[in-house]
Amino acid sequence: KQEVTQIPAALSVPEGENLVLNCSFTDSAIYNLQWFRQDPGKGLTSLLLIQSSQREQTSGRLNASLDKSSGRSTLYIAASQPGDSATYLCAVGQTMNYGGSQGNLIFGKGTKLSVKP
Amino acid sequence: DARVTQTPRHKVTEMGQEVTMRCQPILGHNTVFWYRQTMMQGLELLAYFRNRAPLDDSGMPKDRFSAEMPDATLATLKIQPSEPRDSAVYFCASGLGRGFNYGYTFGSGTRLTVV
Repeated sequence: KQEVTQIPAALSVPEGENLVLNCSFTDSAIYNLQWFRQDPGKGLTSLLLIQSSQREQTSGRLNASLDKSSGRSTLYIAASQPGDSATYLCAVGQTMNYGGSQGNLIFGKGTKLSVKP
Repeated sequence: DARVTQTPRHKVTEMGQEVTMRCQPILGHNTVFWYRQTMMQGLELLAYFRNRAPLDDSGMPKDRFSAEMPDATLATLKIQPSEPRDSAVYFCASGLGRGFNYGYTFGSGTRLTVV
């Protein structure tokens, strides 16, 4: 069964710092990995999508990498700002059936980020 | 921007009552998910449709939950009878195919409180 783990569960940093959020998964049979942001009481906003054939994706100050063979992804946030404070979730799109069908998204429990002014 | 629309945004109901949550997927998307989010369990898959056909509802308590897609523009999740442990945020997401190229888009959720 695919399991997705995010470390740390919470992180507090001063404004301006560069930071890395980690995501690991137990089964490398994935076809993509998606990073989401969730603000308190809100829905999920997609940040970056990495195909299994790709090594990284960038959007503005965000850079996500994927090492499928080792079951790891990282989300790098450059020059953090208070507006980056939110919970960051990673989700893998799995290729194998686990009592279900392809395309299911398996989520980690998220990293709650707080950026202090 | 195209978005997934969920109604209602908030629902408070008494134990034993029927609850219906609705989702309008993005036009043209043929894959729809229902997820439930709690503090303890995080995001859990409840049901999964493609081209309106249910592919996986193994995460859903069958005795009280039901999910349907009456047409391509509407997905529903019903709980009957509701229980306090059903209190959670329910998210709908839609995508094209297996989400290989574009991933999935989530709605803003329905926050359900059962008292």
